[in-house]
Amino acid sequence: DTAVSQTPKYLVTQMGNDKSIKCEQNLGHDTMYWYKQDSKKFLKIMFSYNNKELIINETVPNRFSPKSPDKAHLNLHINSLELGDSAVYFCASSKTGWSSEKLFFGSGTQLSVL
Amino acid sequence: AQSVTQLDSHVSVSEGTPVLLRCNYSSSYSPSLFWYVQHPNKGLQLLLKYTSAATLVKGINGFEAEFKKSETSFHLTKPSAHMSDAAEYFCVVSVGTGTASKLTFGTGTRLQVTL
Repeated sequence: DTAVSQTPKYLVTQMGNDKSIKCEQNLGHDTMYWYKQDSKKFLKIMFSYNNKELIINETVPNRFSPKSPDKAHLNLHINSLELGDSAVYFCASSKTGWSSEKLFFGSGTQLSVL
Repeated sequence: AQSVTQLDSHVSVSEGTPVLLRCNYSSSYSPSLFWYVQHPNKGLQLLLKYTSAATLVKGINGFEAEFKKSETSFHLTKPSAHMSDAAEYFCVVSVGTGTASKLTFGTGTRLQVTL
């Protein structure tokens, strides 16, 4: 069983479209995250949720809206996609969100905006 | 604010020779430090972590790292490289309290292993 699974693995779309990426974890963790990895492999946190509550919201355009229907799921919806949104998006989870914890990552969603 | 600097963007070693990937950190508080590995087209996997216990930390696949506060370093080493070690390696610092803690990633070091 995959611990953190995200879909789709690849997403190719036109500028201006709206798209969603889904993430699910079966580890019973309380905290989930979205990270963005750019073309130079740099990883930056976008959001974190703890028990469905938004904890971290970095300076991300408000076209990006995370939604956590329950603590096992954290979806990412992106409106009006732009060329600069092309990246690999990683979902992750950790047990409580404390700084010393290991993060479990999904295998990524490669988003290409044409 | 915390940060990490990975001193080499690319390291190439021969199979069977030692690996050294360098990382310096900056943190106002006692940090937690991690090394994560990313194989091509895969998610990240934890190699090891330091959380103020022993300064020499052993991880998976024969990797280890030493926390040196005086040098603000957390270099990753392995005595003998294997072809399967070829990947991107990220040094990470985590600071924060409670559930608001967050990871700050280094820019990554690509390890190439040649025959």
